[in-house]
Amino acid sequence: GENVEQHPSTLSVQEGDSAVIKCTYSDSASNYFPWYKQELGKRPQLIIDIRSNVGEKKDQRIAVTLNKTAKHFSLHITETQPEDSAVYFCAAPTGNQFYFGTGTSLTVIP
Amino acid sequence: NAGVMQNPRHLVRRRGQEARLRCSPMKGHSHVYWYRQLPEEGLKFMVYLQKENIIDESGMPKERFSAEFPKEGPSILRIQQVVRGDSAAYFCASSRDRKNIQYFGAGTRLSVL
Repeated sequence: GENVEQHPSTLSVQEGDSAVIKCTYSDSASNYFPWYKQELGKRPQLIIDIRSNVGEKKDQRIAVTLNKTAKHFSLHITETQPEDSAVYFCAAPTGNQFYFGTGTSLTVIP
Repeated sequence: NAGVMQNPRHLVRRRGQEARLRCSPMKGHSHVYWYRQLPEEGLKFMVYLQKENIIDESGMPKERFSAEFPKEGPSILRIQQVVRGDSAAYFCASSRDRKNIQYFGAGTRLSVL
């Protein structure tokens, strides 16, 4: 199976609502989980990350939670704004590589 | 404090030609990763290099693709005898060490005619 699975592949929310994107990983030794935001035609940019010694991390409207037992982590965006519309990728390390999820295309409807 | 620099931003090649993509990591970073992204798809790992060494090339096609990161100068991803299926965005990322944050360049968009 895939090293990192990401759901949903597309997500539409009304402006002001919350958005949640989930990823699962397979390597129990993974210890660092970044989230990237990629706007159309641009580079992926790191928006938040979490290490395995914490369960949650927040940065203004963005938060990431980690459940090591279940091997999944989630991105939470609250009070969504149109500029949050983008593709979001999760990633998890396995060996020498970072495996990226297949991406979630988030659309925030004004 | 320049970020990861990739050039060219756009590259057009005819089938059978060679493509050379360059990546200069962030200052202080000695680890470089190359990824390929097809339209509306995710990032596929290709190769991980440190200065003068290929650490992991398990994502690289066995033929026509090669990568290097010399002691001096940028990392180079080389695609020989390009085919239409090579058309994609190629992103480079760099990090301070293997377990640290990867920062991405703006990418090179390769179009094979």
